[in-house]
Order: sequence, then C-alpha cells, then structure tokens
Amino acid sequence: QVQLQESGPGLVKPSQTLSLTCTVSGDSISSGGYFWNWIRQHPGKGLEWIGYIYNSGSTYYHPSLQSRLTISLHTSKNQFSLKLNSVTAADTAVYYCARARGFGEFFQHWGQGTLVTVSS
Amino acid sequence: QSALTQPASVSGSPGQSITISCTGTSSDVGGYHYISWYQQHPGKAPKVIIFEVNHRPSDVSNRFSGSKSGNTASLTISGLQAEDEADYYCSSFTTSVYVFGTGTKVTVL
Repeated sequence: QVQLQESGPGLVKPSQTLSLTCTVSGDSISSGGYFWNWIRQHPGKGLEWIGYIYNSGSTYYHPSLQSRLTISLHTSKNQFSLKLNSVTAADTAVYYCARARGFGEFFQHWGQGTLVTVSS
Repeated sequence: QSALTQPASVSGSPGQSITISCTGTSSDVGGYHYISWYQQHPGKAPKVIIFEVNHRPSDVSNRFSGSKSGNTASLTISGLQAEDEADYYCSSFTTSVYVFGTGTKVTVL
C-alpha cells in the first residue's frame, strides 16, 4: 500500500522560502509511469494544483506559481520536494503531496497534508 | 485556467439521491475524459471516488456514479447516508494543467 507523508516547517516568514518534503513508502518513486504532485488548500477554501514531477525529473508548474516554484525528485531517499520562494500570507495553506496514476490522470494516493502558515 | 463551477451546497435526506454538477468549458471538462471527483471530510485529505468520468475505485461504494454531457460533469450519490456528508470537488486535466472545481458541501438532513 503506497503511503505519502509531508514534512517541513509549519511557520515561514514573509519573503522567505517555503520548503516541504514528501516521503513515499510502499513503492519506489522511480518505478512506473506515475506523476508526483503538490496540491494546496487555503483555509476554508478549495483545492489548487501546484505542480508535478515525473520520475524522469521533468516538471510542470501552475502558470501562476511558475516563477517562484521548484519541484525536485530525490530518488535515493524516495522523496520529492517543493520549494516556493518569496512567500506571502496568500501562500498560507494546507499542502498535500499526491500521486497521479499517469499523465493527466486522477490523484490516486494523497498525503495527510501539512499546514504552512506565512507570518512574521 | 479558471476553477470549474460547482454549486456551493447540496442537501438531501437519508435514502434520497442528489446530483452535483461541475461546469467548465470545451477546453477542460468538455475536451477531456480525465474528469475525477474527490470526497473530503473535515480535517482529512481528499479521496478519489470517481475517475475518468464514470469509473469507480474498487473500494468506493456503488452508490457513487459519474457522468458527463458537453461541458458539464455530474456526480450522483444514491441512497444518501450520513457518512456522505462532506465536501466534494471535481477535477479536470487540461493542456498539462489540473483544474479543480469550487467545491460542494453536501449536507444530510
């Protein structure tokens, strides 16, 4: 059974970098044709897709976040990560990592989510 | 890429059927069969209940069904139960980007 777990600081200061890691267990992050995603949910609001990385390392980001965003793969640790630069209060959200079954396909497995608050 | 439009809330009595709509454009919902639906209980991660318009994961009740007509996808919950009270989101894949619906809160009366 594939499991995903987000980790990282729960509090980030404005203008700094938000860094999160998703640890995958139950399967190799390098295997299959899966796409590894980050999705966020602002407090009391709906879901927003952030971006994905494929096991080849190729990425695609939401156009509105593209200039501030980096998603990376760490195969030796079976992890992938998110870095979002120059954060503001608008980046306060619960961040989820999720695995998509294939290109454009549904989010099959999700992490439990982690709340990141941007505040001084 | 704008969010797909869903009704803010839908309610029904136990045993009834309800339908949630998800309206997009020919560039997303109308143009792709990668339409999925997610159920989210308070404080929990979303869970997929429908994928590829009308396919159901093996661990999801057959009371959930999906369909699509033109630019609108729909989720129907039959035989409404108390445990179905949750938020529901549709999602579509379009030109390398995922877009979610605005979300619908389902209340079981």
